[in-house]
Amino acid sequence: QAGLTQPPSVSKGLRQTATLTCTGNRNNVGNQGAAWHQHHQGHPPKLLSYRNNNRPSGISERFFASRSGNIASLTITGLQPDDEADYYCSAWDSSLSAWVFGGGTKLTVL
Amino acid sequence: EVQLLESGGGLVQPGGSLRLSCAASGFTFSNYAMTWVRQAPGKGLEYVSSISTSGDRAYYTSSVKGRFTISRDNFGNTLYLQMDSLRAEDTALYYCVKEDINYDGFEYWGQGTLVTVSS
Repeated sequence: QAGLTQPPSVSKGLRQTATLTCTGNRNNVGNQGAAWHQHHQGHPPKLLSYRNNNRPSGISERFFASRSGNIASLTITGLQPDDEADYYCSAWDSSLSAWVFGGGTKLTVL
Repeated sequence: EVQLLESGGGLVQPGGSLRLSCAASGFTFSNYAMTWVRQAPGKGLEYVSSISTSGDRAYYTSSVKGRFTISRDNFGNTLYLQMDSLRAEDTALYYCVKEDINYDGFEYWGQGTLVTVSS
């Protein structure tokens, strides 16, 4: 089952800005956008952004989601050590009638 | 406080069956679609199955269609995943997930229950 495409890894320095991308097609990301999750191993994933790019209550404004066509992006400003984690995008695919995930991006904060 | 407590995982032989349960509390269970997501060892998150609020619509990833069945008990606030004809590649940590009321994302996740398929 086709999924979304994310770069496997991104490395940025402390207090810098990282932008993670998620590429889909017109049936998923291009249709209704993508949600973003942060996953620290050993803990359940945490929702950072809904498909409409709004943040859930309690999520820092340092996390900003956007979309252009079939590509969704998550921008994290002022990187902190705790931001080091795996980040996944997800979208509903109307052709598959199923959710699809990206392969995940491992963010390293140097 | 939203709580999702999965149970039912364990070691099973290839071709065997398991039934996962997820006890939900802290929200009106019948108002939310629910989903199972899994993570195989060393791999990323993978969507497994979703069910509508009333249970009349179910969705599956292609690799589990015909083998897994999702269901829910809105009176007992419990989500289920019946897994039959299990394969080694089904080995994973299975998460119970509460969707956003507008189907815009996976809002809350349980701690997961581990399923190991091996002879």
